Amino acid sequence: DTEVTQTPKHLVMGMTNKKSLKCEQHMGHRAMYWYKQKAKKPPELMFVYSYEKLSINESVPSRFSPECPNSSLLNLHLHALQPEDSALYLCASSQTGAGYGYTFGSGTRLTVV
Amino acid sequence: DAKTTQPNSMESNEEEPVHLPCNHSTISGTDYIHWYRQLPSQGPEYVIHGLTSNVNNRMASLAIAEDRKSSTLILHRATLRDAAVYYCILRDTGSARQLTFGSGTQLTVLP
Repeated sequence: DTEVTQTPKHLVMGMTNKKSLKCEQHMGHRAMYWYKQKAKKPPELMFVYSYEKLSINESVPSRFSPECPNSSLLNLHLHALQPEDSALYLCASSQTGAGYGYTFGSGTRLTVV
Repeated sequence: DAKTTQPNSMESNEEEPVHLPCNHSTISGTDYIHWYRQLPSQGPEYVIHGLTSNVNNRMASLAIAEDRKSSTLILHRATLRDAAVYYCILRDTGSARQLTFGSGTQLTVLP
């Protein structure tokens, strides 16, 4: 298995809803990442997990709450989002260390109404 | 993180080679050079990476200048499916550093 699987592919949520994005990989990668991408812009890093521990939080608002329950799974819990949070949310994984490439999922397209 | 500079856009004709340049004049000795591409409505896709020597794989070739201050991604024969945004990214070997994307080059392939 050489893929990162993200679910759901599309999500529409109200500003008072709570929802979760899920990411799964079975490549034995021990680093996992969440990125946010607005239209016509490059992906922006949100969180980095290394060996299931949060190692980087790029000053992301607390309405985004990441979780890494095991080495294969990464979740992003969403609560009280704003319309400007509408974006493509990308998950990626890699071996630790700079000599390895990242594998990205195809993303979850989130719309906050 | 050291910065990269890429042209905003490039055009190529189908079935011709494409040379995508990247300048990284502040690169450190421990930075790997990574290339990714993003097709419309998809997540980024790993293309190739290298440290000092030129690299080849089934997708592309990476030519790294001797002083490492620039590199070129070479697509040997462009197809319409190669139309994408191409990102050149430096990644430090010092730790499990994240990938930080710049603005990239939008490649248009003309039939």
